[in-house]
Amino acid sequence: DVKVTQSSRYLVKRTGEKVFLECVQDMDHENMFWYRQDPGLGLRLIYFSYDVKMKEKGDIPEGYSVSREKKERFSLILESASTNQTSMYLCASSTRGAIEQFFGPGTRLTVL
Amino acid sequence: AQKITQTQPGMFVQEKEAVTLDCTYDTSDPSYGLFWYKQPSSGEMIFLIYQGSYDQQNATEGRYSLNFQKARKSANLVISASQLGDSAMYFCAMREGPEGYQKVTFGTGTKLQVIP
Repeated sequence: DVKVTQSSRYLVKRTGEKVFLECVQDMDHENMFWYRQDPGLGLRLIYFSYDVKMKEKGDIPEGYSVSREKKERFSLILESASTNQTSMYLCASSTRGAIEQFFGPGTRLTVL
Repeated sequence: AQKITQTQPGMFVQEKEAVTLDCTYDTSDPSYGLFWYKQPSSGEMIFLIYQGSYDQQNATEGRYSLNFQKARKSANLVISASQLGDSAMYFCAMREGPEGYQKVTFGTGTKLQVIP
């Protein structure tokens, strides 16, 4: 079974803190994604990566950065967390040419 | 314009009945794909079904079928014989570009509740 894991299910941070959300997949997938999910807005793509050290902006990259130093790990970084970044964050991965993306369980981040 | 529109924020269905969840899409790309994902209360997104724009037949996967009407730009999900475990959020999504291109746009979702 494909396994995508995220470092935390729930996270509470303060405004201005630097926040790291970690995602690890165990199926040697080339592609990895970070989404945020908000009620009434569905899922929106923040960043994605097609390979190690490669990244591309999604639809809402402002306020976020990413890092992919190893194939299995994709990190989302909030340089200075703000209250409007309170959300559910979902990581996904897929193999090149695949149809399906495999999702992790999500991290619910609250910024106070 | 919204690329994916799901007009039903919430729906109820009686157990064992069939239910249709609506999805319309907007694209000018001749090559695209349409997906449905399920998100139970646990939060994890589960892939259900896929339809490519060039596929001649409607996709089916067990109790799930995708009613693809290209001219109307609709890709409704039909769940037959609903079960209590079908209660979840359902998201329609679209890939624009050739198969294998991975950037996907999601709709806002429909919350389905199955009543015993």
